[in-house]
Amino acid sequence: EDQVTQSPEALRLQEGESSSLNCSYTVSGLRGLFWYRQDPGKGPEFLFTLYSAGEEKEKERLKATLTKKESFLHITAPKPEDSATYLCAVGGGSNYKLTFGKGTLLTVNP
Amino acid sequence: GAGVSQSPRYKVTKRGQDVALRCDPISGHVSLYWYRQALGQGPEFLTYFNYEAQQDKSGLPNDRFSAERPEGSISTLTIQRTEQRDSAMYRCASSPGQGGTDTQYFGPGTRLTVL
Repeated sequence: EDQVTQSPEALRLQEGESSSLNCSYTVSGLRGLFWYRQDPGKGPEFLFTLYSAGEEKEKERLKATLTKKESFLHITAPKPEDSATYLCAVGGGSNYKLTFGKGTLLTVNP
Repeated sequence: GAGVSQSPRYKVTKRGQDVALRCDPISGHVSLYWYRQALGQGPEFLTYFNYEAQQDKSGLPNDRFSAERPEGSISTLTIQRTEQRDSAMYRCASSPGQGGTDTQYFGPGTRLTVL
């Protein structure tokens, strides 16, 4: 059974204070690791897909990396508008479903 | 372009009633998924359609839950004889290809409250 664990559960940063969110996973035959951003009252918004260990992707202040056991979402010089819950999910094996972690609630104070 | 839409956005019902939740995927998307999301949790898989074929329903909690996608576009998730434990956010997602490595795009969800 696929499993995803995200840490920390909550993270509070000052504007400009860089940090990283962690996503540890176990999956039989990784098809893709997905990062989503979720704002209160809204559906998850797609950020990145990573397919193989060593892969990295960037978008504005966000950079996602992948190893065989975990993924990191690095946030550089965050702004208050980066405040949201960040969800990690894996797709594995012959399943088409995504298995999600519980998310990390990020708060960036001005 | 238009994203995934869901209706109603909020549904309040009494225990024992049946409810039908609708999902309108992104135009042309082949795959459609239903998830359920509890507060403070990530979405949890319910069922998956490839065009009109329901290819995986392993996540449906029990036989009170059913889903259909008769013409390979709009889908309906039906919950019969609702119970209070069914209260949750129900989310629909769609992807352009036949699952696999495709990105899933989520709708805004339907908040179901069973009194």
